Amino acid sequence: AQKVTQAQTEISVVEKEDVTLDCVYETRDTTYYLFWYKQPPSGELVFLIRRNSFDEQNEISGRYSWNFQKSTSSFNFTITASQVVDSAVYFCALDDSGYSTLTFGKGTMLLVSP
Amino acid sequence: EAQVTQNPRYLITVTGKKLTVTCSQNMNHEYMSWYRQDPGLGLRQIYYSMNVEVTDKGDVPEGYKVSRKEKRNFPLILESPSPNQTSLYFCASSYRNNQPQHFGDGTRLSIL
Repeated sequence: AQKVTQAQTEISVVEKEDVTLDCVYETRDTTYYLFWYKQPPSGELVFLIRRNSFDEQNEISGRYSWNFQKSTSSFNFTITASQVVDSAVYFCALDDSGYSTLTFGKGTMLLVSP
Repeated sequence: EAQVTQNPRYLITVTGKKLTVTCSQNMNHEYMSWYRQDPGLGLRQIYYSMNVEVTDKGDVPEGYKVSRKEKRNFPLILESPSPNQTSLYFCASSYRNNQPQHFGDGTRLSIL
């Protein structure tokens, strides 16, 4: 069974639009960690955020915000006033192993056009 | 500078010719992992290591070997590469369990 689902394969927006990337996860553990990574066209993987299962507070960092809802097993990522530099593939990942192993979603490609 | 270094960055080789992709981190991290990234599949873990001499299989270990003789190094070995191992490979490390993983820049392997 897929543990992390990113249903949106590709999203296209125009600069300054807000965009939300969805992530739904599946786990039987009560302790787990969720992550978002960004992969720009240059190919490297950039860590954005980590959230543990006991902390349901939403997080805001500049134009980025994350909405963690255990009731719906979702950890969605919103970019406000998107910019061309936000164009990238975004991965949601789950660590419920206890061994620092990540299960990734298939990624959402975000294309922001001027 | 804290980093995870992979070599080579690009390699084109032929079926059956043994190859090793090196990975080294300078952050004294306990945990290290290898992932492969394929179009439409995201990243999948190949092997991971919790410490020196402690390694275990991830989701797609077939055709790969690893070793962890030193804390900083975690090479990925393809004893007899096949075309289905053509992929983009990432090494990652983290200080502790459940901490963010730092990724190398990736190694693009093409097996002909």
